[in-house]
Amino acid sequence: GDSVTQMEGPVTLSEEAFLTINCTYTATGYPSLFWYVQYPGEGLQLLLKATKADDKGSNKGFEATYRKETTSFHLEKGSVQVSDSAVYFCALGNRDDKIIFGKGTRLHILP
Amino acid sequence: NAGVTQTPKFRILKIGQSMTLQCAQDMNHNYMYWYRQDPGMGLKLIYYSVGAGITDKGEVPNGYNVSRSTTEDFPLRLELAAPSQTSVYFCASSTPEVNEKLFFGSGTQLSVL
Repeated sequence: GDSVTQMEGPVTLSEEAFLTINCTYTATGYPSLFWYVQYPGEGLQLLLKATKADDKGSNKGFEATYRKETTSFHLEKGSVQVSDSAVYFCALGNRDDKIIFGKGTRLHILP
Repeated sequence: NAGVTQTPKFRILKIGQSMTLQCAQDMNHNYMYWYRQDPGMGLKLIYYSVGAGITDKGEVPNGYNVSRSTTEDFPLRLELAAPSQTSVYFCASSTPEVNEKLFFGSGTQLSVL
């Protein structure tokens, strides 16, 4: 079945460092891909999405490009802030109407 | 606009007790979902619904039941609570297009002792 694999956390970085969180997927057909973020004590919220190959999703300085050839959707940000500390989930949506999430990656940003 | 509302926020159950987690959305979304989030394990889909009167199993449906009598409400029922059901439960909704975003409730933290 469909699945999402993302890098294990926690990831700890200093403020203004470059961030990459890796995500790869297995799916039939052409799924939509998402990154969700969960701040402490809250539910998940959509950060960005891409619906077809070579699309780039972006929001709040974060970017991710849909790479069909490598089945990847890595999340990047050029300069992280303390306020970016959260858990990040990679996810895919396919034609069977279900959204499948990865296990999440906890990010800690040190001032 | 309330979005997705879950109640209660916290609950402690004894083994074998039953309870219903409530979920309501006011966005007229057709699709609704129940997920559980275990520490370090991400989200697992329990049940989902694509419209009133239609429900389907997700990855981990055992020990749970759902109903969808209206578009707005999607309650999750635990009949015989077990310690393995200790988790944080999230309800979510979305529009029919698969690439539309999920709107999440704030979660219910359940402990079974």
